[in-house]
Amino acid sequence: QKEVEQDPGPLSVPEGAIVSLNCTYSNSAFQYFMWYRQYSRKGPELLMYTYSSGNKEDGRFTAQVDKSSKYISLFIRDSQPSDSATYLCAMISGGFKTIFGAGTRLFVKA
Amino acid sequence: DAGITQSPRHKVTETGTPVTLRCHQTENHRYMYWYRQDPGHGLRLIHYSYGVKDTDKGEVSDGYSVSRSKTEDFLLTLESATSSQTSVYFCAIRGGTDMNTEAFFGQGTRLTVV
Repeated sequence: QKEVEQDPGPLSVPEGAIVSLNCTYSNSAFQYFMWYRQYSRKGPELLMYTYSSGNKEDGRFTAQVDKSSKYISLFIRDSQPSDSATYLCAMISGGFKTIFGAGTRLFVKA
Repeated sequence: DAGITQSPRHKVTETGTPVTLRCHQTENHRYMYWYRQDPGHGLRLIHYSYGVKDTDKGEVSDGYSVSRSKTEDFLLTLESATSSQTSVYFCAIRGGTDMNTEAFFGQGTRLTVV
């Protein structure tokens, strides 16, 4: 079993929809939780960075962490075609090594 | 954009040949990382560095070595390339002293071993 599980999709939604992306994990030592966006043939870019449980909002993006369920989510409101990308969840226990999910491909149709 | 440059961007090489990929940063960050990205596996850590001449292995380090003789440069070497090392390689740096994660990635090197 992988430490971090993420549905690869693809997930296809119409423009303006609310998108929900999720990851589950098995290591209760994870403390920092991240979401990255990766456009085709580009490097990942950090979207959201949260510590421990709770919510964090940045514009149209909201990250949620539920440590009791070992479950994290990224919500995208008013999705746009420019949001079409692969979204990677990632987490770290405080050391040097980040564990990444395999990524979910998202398509937002105009 | 953070100043991370990977070279080359694309390379085709033959099985058994040595290959060196370069990552150059202009941000003076202490931590640097090499990842490979393959379908279904996401990003997997090959090696990382926490300072000049200070390096350690990641989860998929077999067949790879690294060197860091200057803060700005982190080299990844495939000692004898194999077809299983065909992949996209990314270099990354952390985002500063208060950020415990890789915040900036290079644009990647697409390596094909034939």
